[in-house]
Amino acid sequence: GAVVSQHPSWVICKSGTSVKIECRSLDFQATTMFWYRQFPKQSLMLMATSNEGSKATYEQGVEKDKFLINHASLTLSTLTVTSAHPEDSSFYICSGSRENTEAFFGQGTRLTVV
Amino acid sequence: ILNVEQSPQSLHVQEGDSTNFTCSFPSSNFYALHWYRWETAKSPEALFVMTLNGDEKKKGRISATLNTKEGYSYLYIKGSQPEDSATYLCAFTSGSARQLTFGSGTQLTVLP
Repeated sequence: GAVVSQHPSWVICKSGTSVKIECRSLDFQATTMFWYRQFPKQSLMLMATSNEGSKATYEQGVEKDKFLINHASLTLSTLTVTSAHPEDSSFYICSGSRENTEAFFGQGTRLTVV
Repeated sequence: ILNVEQSPQSLHVQEGDSTNFTCSFPSSNFYALHWYRWETAKSPEALFVMTLNGDEKKKGRISATLNTKEGYSYLYIKGSQPEDSATYLCAFTSGSARQLTFGSGTQLTVLP
């Protein structure tokens, strides 16, 4: 299957700082990138959907000014958690989708804000 | 809000046992149903994508069925092995949307 590379795998940052997470589709063009978050013992929750070259669509309750998503090319999307706080500590995972096909996941990023 | 439910939440079986889990989803405006296997510290791996009512898919010892009219899918594992231990996620796509709505997963542990 297609490969999505997500970095970093885990990150610890101080409260108030910003963290950038990258997802690259290595062998296909991801026309759509989905960003999910998973809190302990909960399901994957969609945060936002981004299509290459356009603004991301955020799910209800997700602050677009806090979670900045950039999808400038068909192979790269980034999620920046701005002014991170301990409650933002979570598992973040992206998945890239080609037109009307299944989605391929990155490895996920474990974020801990201290 | 789309509601995708999986049961059971967790399951322990002995090596060699066969098992199955359920995914239920909205029966209206169906587009596709996905099954993923998610092993610890790895990316979720796509198992099946099913689009037609009555679809049955098989990959080795794992198979899945789909009933879009009543809104459920079963995943079966025959002769479970310890390496089958993982969280199995189902995800639903409605209409022509490409976003996936996930269930909470079934965590399978196969005991040697």
